[in-house]
Amino acid sequence: DQQVKQNSPSLSVQEGRISILNCDYTNSMFDYFLWYKKYPAEGPTFLISISSIKDKNEDGRFTVFLNKSAKHLSLHIVPSQPGDSAVYFCAASEAVSGGGADGLTFGKGTHLIIQP
Amino acid sequence: NAGVTQTPKFQVLKTGQSMTLQCAQDMNHNSMYWYRQDPGMGLRLIYYSASEGTTDKGEVPNGYNVSRLNKREFSLRLESAAPSQTSVYFCASRGRPGGTEKLFFGSGTQLSVL
Repeated sequence: DQQVKQNSPSLSVQEGRISILNCDYTNSMFDYFLWYKKYPAEGPTFLISISSIKDKNEDGRFTVFLNKSAKHLSLHIVPSQPGDSAVYFCAASEAVSGGGADGLTFGKGTHLIIQP
Repeated sequence: NAGVTQTPKFQVLKTGQSMTLQCAQDMNHNSMYWYRQDPGMGLRLIYYSASEGTTDKGEVPNGYNVSRLNKREFSLRLESAAPSQTSVYFCASRGRPGGTEKLFFGSGTQLSVL
């Protein structure tokens, strides 16, 4: 059963516009969420994170929104730039290990394509 | 700063062959992880090591073994490779298990099993 879901395998956005990437989760024990960005032939790199005690975190052009009641988070990129073209992974963890498997649980990723 | 270094970057094996993927980090992190990435599957945790001397299974451990050689190094071994193990393998580390610290990833090993 997939605990972190990214239902859009790909997304195409025009340069300068807003990109919105969505992520849903099912495990109510998750209380820390991260977005990773991945270019081809490279490892994922950390982009931005949010704790469950917040509903918004902003870092430059990137903003993550968290709706705990809906178990939904989204990543907004404004304005979108050609260098943003990459695969974006949503990930989740329990801030305090509950004794289960450690590590992050990842979604399947969304391939963002920024059109010039 | 090297961060997390994985070797080799590419490898082709025949079914039944064995090999070890090497990973080392220079950030003095306690926790290390092995993930695999398959098309349309995201990243799935194979094994992790919360601290030197400990290892635990993740979501997809079958067919793999790991060794936490010291604080810096965490290796992944395929004893008898199978075509289903064709994947991209990523090693990662972070300061401590659980918690709110992010993972740092290596650049990956692309493995093909024929």
